[in-house]
Amino acid sequence: QKEVEQNSGPLSVPEGAIASLNCTYSDRVSQSFFWYRQYSGKSPELIMSIYSNGDKEDGRFTAQLNKASQYVSLLIRDSQPSDSATYLCAVNDNFNKFYFGSGTKLNVKP
Amino acid sequence: KAGVTQTPRYLIKTRGQQVTLSCSPISGHRSVSWYQQTPGQGLQFLFEYFSETQRNKGNFPGRFSGRQFSNSRSEMNVSTLELGDSALYLCASSLVSSLGDTQYFGPGTRLTVL
Repeated sequence: QKEVEQNSGPLSVPEGAIASLNCTYSDRVSQSFFWYRQYSGKSPELIMSIYSNGDKEDGRFTAQLNKASQYVSLLIRDSQPSDSATYLCAVNDNFNKFYFGSGTKLNVKP
Repeated sequence: KAGVTQTPRYLIKTRGQQVTLSCSPISGHRSVSWYQQTPGQGLQFLFEYFSETQRNKGNFPGRFSGRQFSNSRSEMNVSTLELGDSALYLCASSLVSSLGDTQYFGPGTRLTVL
């Protein structure tokens, strides 16, 4: 059974701080990795995708991938109260099947 | 480009009934996946269709079924509804690339079974 693990949180950070969200996965041959943001009562929204080791930056968001250690992380710089949501990590295996973590709830306090 | 659309957005049914949910993918996307999301279980994969064929399947009972039409629109059906089927049902359409699929979610259908 392929697994994607996330700390459920809640992770609380003050406004303007860096929020760090982590995810580990069990399948070594996973190909692509994604972070989704989900506001309460809404559907997941794609934030970032990352395919190779290292960092990928998009605005205030940075995704980090380490395939050897089988983890992927998401950094949110200058966190805003509007970033308060649940963040889902997703992994796509060789067979185009997606596996989602249970999500980390982030609270950004003004 | 229009996003993924799902209809209806809300449904209330009673135990034993059946329900059909519809999903229209983003134009050009040929893969459609369905998920069930509940507070206790998170996102659970139901099945995926690509070019009218079921390509992947999750671990749900046979009461859950789906299909895809030639225009890539997809439907899922749940027969003999149970209280535990109350959930948010999400459809995601995928654009295939050399790096793999990227899924984009629709707004979901919230099903309540009484």
